[in-house]
Amino acid sequence: DSGVTQTPKHLITATGQRVTLRCSPRSGDLSVYWYQQSLDQGLQFLIQYYNGEERAKGNILERFSAQQFPDLHSELNLSSLELGDSALYFCASSVTGLNEKLFFGSGTQLSVL
Amino acid sequence: QKEVEQDPGPLSVPEGAIVSLNCTYSNSAFQYFMWYRQYSRKGPELLMYTYSSGNKEDGRFTAQVDKSSKYISLFIRDSQPSDSATYLCAMSNNNDMRFGAGTRLTVKP
Repeated sequence: DSGVTQTPKHLITATGQRVTLRCSPRSGDLSVYWYQQSLDQGLQFLIQYYNGEERAKGNILERFSAQQFPDLHSELNLSSLELGDSALYFCASSVTGLNEKLFFGSGTQLSVL
Repeated sequence: QKEVEQDPGPLSVPEGAIVSLNCTYSNSAFQYFMWYRQYSRKGPELLMYTYSSGNKEDGRFTAQVDKSSKYISLFIRDSQPSDSATYLCAMSNNNDMRFGAGTRLTVKP
């Protein structure tokens, strides 16, 4: 168990809908990262937060947004969902946010039908 | 050219074999080198973490970094069926982290 908690584990929804994925980092970790992993692609970095502030942005679509709250948990919001958004979404956390050791959650499997 | 190149495999070996997994990279700014193991549909798990060139050993696993060649390796000795997973290399500096595509390994009993 990495100590990173993601909910829900599975999410099935329809095209055009909006969903929210939730992540609680390891105790003491200030930084949260979101990654997308689909079958034909590796881990794609979406966005990073450190202590409530956005630190880095990767290949995140404009339809997607995220935030980190004062209690350090984070939410990833996906809207106007398309079939191609079906993927595993991982949250990871680290202590300082300087891209050192990342600890990953077990992921949320999103299926868009 | 991708920043991190990793052969996706699949790689199949008999139990007890020595496994060699490799990645090359192009960005000489990378300072930290990691290997993650990912079981099917689970989150990646940090396996090895190294900072400098050279070897680091942890049980049956040895991570090797050659910064001059921009080449990193993971060796698994006495491989077990429980080692069957996808192995992802990763490398970072303070501002950026990159993952390889992952190599799928199967260890057959």
